[in-house]
Amino acid sequence: NAGVMQNPRHLVRRRGQEARLRCSPMKGHSHVYWYRQLPEEGLKFMVYLQKENIIDESGMPKERFSAEFPKEGPSILRIQQVVRGDSAAYFCASSGTDGNTIYFGEGSWLTVV
Amino acid sequence: DAKTTQPTSMDCAEGRAANLPCNHSTISGNEYVYWYRQIHSQGPQYIIHGLKNNETNEMASLIITEDRKSSTLILPHATLRDTAVYYCIVRVYNTDKLIFGTGTRLQVFP
Repeated sequence: NAGVMQNPRHLVRRRGQEARLRCSPMKGHSHVYWYRQLPEEGLKFMVYLQKENIIDESGMPKERFSAEFPKEGPSILRIQQVVRGDSAAYFCASSGTDGNTIYFGEGSWLTVV
Repeated sequence: DAKTTQPTSMDCAEGRAANLPCNHSTISGNEYVYWYRQIHSQGPQYIIHGLKNNETNEMASLIITEDRKSSTLILPHATLRDTAVYYCIVRVYNTDKLIFGTGTRLQVFP
């Protein structure tokens, strides 16, 4: 059983560039969550999506950040015009329709230089 | 905000049981207690969850008090690889997000 797959695992972007992080949920899972972890800090919820719908984006910064989970393909977290403060680990998680257990991927590490 | 309180750090000798406490005095009747851990630079790993009965799986046991205001995660025979930050989270079953607090940093020593 493949777990939650994230790519790239490491991404370096210059200030002002765009970063795209991809997440393929576990097989059979239709719910996706994105979390951010700044250096030496805890995990902060960003957004919760189901196929083609954003359910809860209460943790998303209002500007430059967007997320989607299309009918086909992985979920994408997009960060436009990155700044140094966006440097963090971004974790994706998924759950099935019963929402019972949420499983996390290994994360994508974004470094903005 | 996280609805749980955990000690900041704990130590445990290898081979001994690690007992990690968690207070959740404002837990609602429909909220489950979940435990995750995060080993350095890895994604959070699901450990166990429960509602009001004690639960056990291959990784750990979860003991929930009768009034459900606190719980204890037990790792029966801690190993060095159990060194991690352990998070206790309350979550309504089948609803959205997990809210992480600061967790307990467990250090297992030889």
